[in-house]
Amino acid sequence: EAQVTQNPRYLITVTGKKLTVTCSQNMNHEYMSWYRQDPGLGLRQIYYSMNVEVTDKGDVPEGYKVSRKEKRNFPLILESPSPNQTSLYFCASSPGEKLFFGSGTQLSVL
Amino acid sequence: GNSVTQMEGPVTLSEEAFLTINCTYTATGYPSLFWYVQYPGEGLQLLLKATKADDKGSNKGFEATYRKETTSFHLEKGSVQVSDSAVYFCALSGSIIQGAQKLVFGQGTRLTINP
Repeated sequence: EAQVTQNPRYLITVTGKKLTVTCSQNMNHEYMSWYRQDPGLGLRQIYYSMNVEVTDKGDVPEGYKVSRKEKRNFPLILESPSPNQTSLYFCASSPGEKLFFGSGTQLSVL
Repeated sequence: GNSVTQMEGPVTLSEEAFLTINCTYTATGYPSLFWYVQYPGEGLQLLLKATKADDKGSNKGFEATYRKETTSFHLEKGSVQVSDSAVYFCALSGSIIQGAQKLVFGQGTRLTINP
């Protein structure tokens, strides 16, 4: 089954403790992206990747890192999480214009 | 820059009512327009799209027409069902060439349908 898989689904952590949210897709898409969803703000793009080893900032990249060492994986790294990064995060991949989304990761930073 | 504005929610309707969710956009060039739907506990999924002026996208009884003269892409359904309860996002991309790279989302409209 074609899908985008994110893990974990829920994560509670404390300020400053490094964490990684994993994202994997099995559709051989070159394009992958991370979004955060906050009430009243819709989805905002954090980082995106056009291909392996090619990444670029989206609209809200501060406090986040990404890497794209393999085509299928695109992890999101929070080196030192802060409470304002509490949000619902989505990974997505695309063959062109249509985005395929993962089920989301609800992150709470205390 | 490109932007999308949706009507504020939440929207609550009774089953079989007519639905309209307004969406207007600001963009340069020739954007493609989309509606995505997010069911509870799930990621977004593409509902319909239109790639040029006067195109009508349709899926699952939903329709939206790309109106360049009014810069709008309103979502409509003639008779909603409880299973349509979800959050709906209007979105635009800069162009087919840019693809998903520069997809801009509206803030989302939560729809609840009561039986």
